[in-house]
Amino acid sequence: GEDVEQSLFLSVREGDSSVINCTYTDSSSTYLYWYKQEPGAGLQLLTYIFSNMDMKQDQRLTVLLNKKDKHLSLRIADTQTGDSAIYFCAESSTNNNDMRFGAGTRLTVKP
Amino acid sequence: EPEVTQTPSHQVTQMGQEVILRCVPISNHLYFYWYRQILGQKVEFLVSFYNNEISEKSEIFDDQFSVERPDGSNFTLKIRSTKLEDSAMYFCASSAEGSGGYTFGSGTRLTVV
Repeated sequence: GEDVEQSLFLSVREGDSSVINCTYTDSSSTYLYWYKQEPGAGLQLLTYIFSNMDMKQDQRLTVLLNKKDKHLSLRIADTQTGDSAIYFCAESSTNNNDMRFGAGTRLTVKP
Repeated sequence: EPEVTQTPSHQVTQMGQEVILRCVPISNHLYFYWYRQILGQKVEFLVSFYNNEISEKSEIFDDQFSVERPDGSNFTLKIRSTKLEDSAMYFCASSAEGSGGYTFGSGTRLTVV
């Protein structure tokens, strides 16, 4: 079946940039998402990108999409301790209206 | 900012009991979803609901599960006879369109003992 893969852990120092990577297999993916989950909390939509876009920037967040390689990344500039959370990559297509999630990347920001 | 509200935040139930998880989607959204996340595992799709009927469901969503929109605001997930393996965080979501821009609730943690 279709799958979404992420590395499980990332550790950075406060002030550095974080780059979280994701790969997916569904070539019909239309929307790609990044969600943030803080401990004990729900899924907060950070940003999403349409598959016909290469890049989307929103304040400290930059999403890059390489559709040919089916690779999505989330860059967080000037990472803060409050950015420590689990970040989920997800995708959906126009063929169906469910979403497929990666396992999540736990970002730890050290002071 | 509009929110999806889920109640209760935690529920403990005995195996074999029925549970109803409640959600209030964003008021002008038309598509509603339930997802679950077993501890340490991926977020998994359960079911989507549009125009008062199920539009899609996963293999997980078997006969013990049902969804209902009993009035204009609530969207419920019923588990008829809970099993230990139903213990998970259950997330409700809604969207204005069929894809893109899902808003998730903060989840209900269900523990089956």
